[in-house]
Amino acid sequence: DIQMTQSPSSLSASVGDRVTITCRASQGISNYLAWFQQKPGKAPKSLIYAASSLQSGVPSKFSGSRSGTDFTLTISSLQPEDFATYYCQQYNSYPLTFGGGTKVEIK
Amino acid sequence: QVQLVESGGGVVQPGGSLRLSCAASGFIFSTYGMHWVRQAPGKGLEWVTFIRYDGSSKYYADSVRGRFTISRDNSKNTLYLQMNSLRAEDTAVYYCANGEGGDYVAFDIWGQGTMVTVSS
Repeated sequence: DIQMTQSPSSLSASVGDRVTITCRASQGISNYLAWFQQKPGKAPKSLIYAASSLQSGVPSKFSGSRSGTDFTLTISSLQPEDFATYYCQQYNSYPLTFGGGTKVEIK
Repeated sequence: QVQLVESGGGVVQPGGSLRLSCAASGFIFSTYGMHWVRQAPGKGLEWVTFIRYDGSSKYYADSVRGRFTISRDNSKNTLYLQMNSLRAEDTAVYYCANGEGGDYVAFDIWGQGTMVTVSS
């Protein structure tokens, strides 16, 4: 199984900050990497697919990138509605696997 | 609008069975692969199982293989998850999610989830 190591597990940031979350795959997954946002008590929401493509309706403050087996989610200017938990997921091979999540909290 | 609505969750004793449903609307269900993903209380996301758009291929997590069965009825736009021999560790919110096309595509829409509690 492919392991997805996400870091940090939590972070505190202020409104307006630039935030970066990293996900590392245990083996090559090409660009088969997605990012999800989940708010407390709610279902996850798809943000990014194919490492860097925004899902329809997702604001451009979210961006994704890839360097080898390292993937990054960046929020350019954190807003109150962005405080949530973020997960990466590989869909290169089964079983599909998720990172452990990054909780973004208000500083 | 595009929507997935899960139902069928509840409280069941260890060793019991439950069938979850996921009703789809707003998109051509028969062209989408479908997944079940679960989340134990206070924990992260765990992929459970996938079924191809035409039902011809299925994959399962090791933790549920042999106990859970995924199926679909394209005439009813509905996805199912039959869960047998339930264990305490199966307690979770169960979400369905879709992905257009083949087996290796990104998730698109998620349902709101249905809670399954396995307890005596």
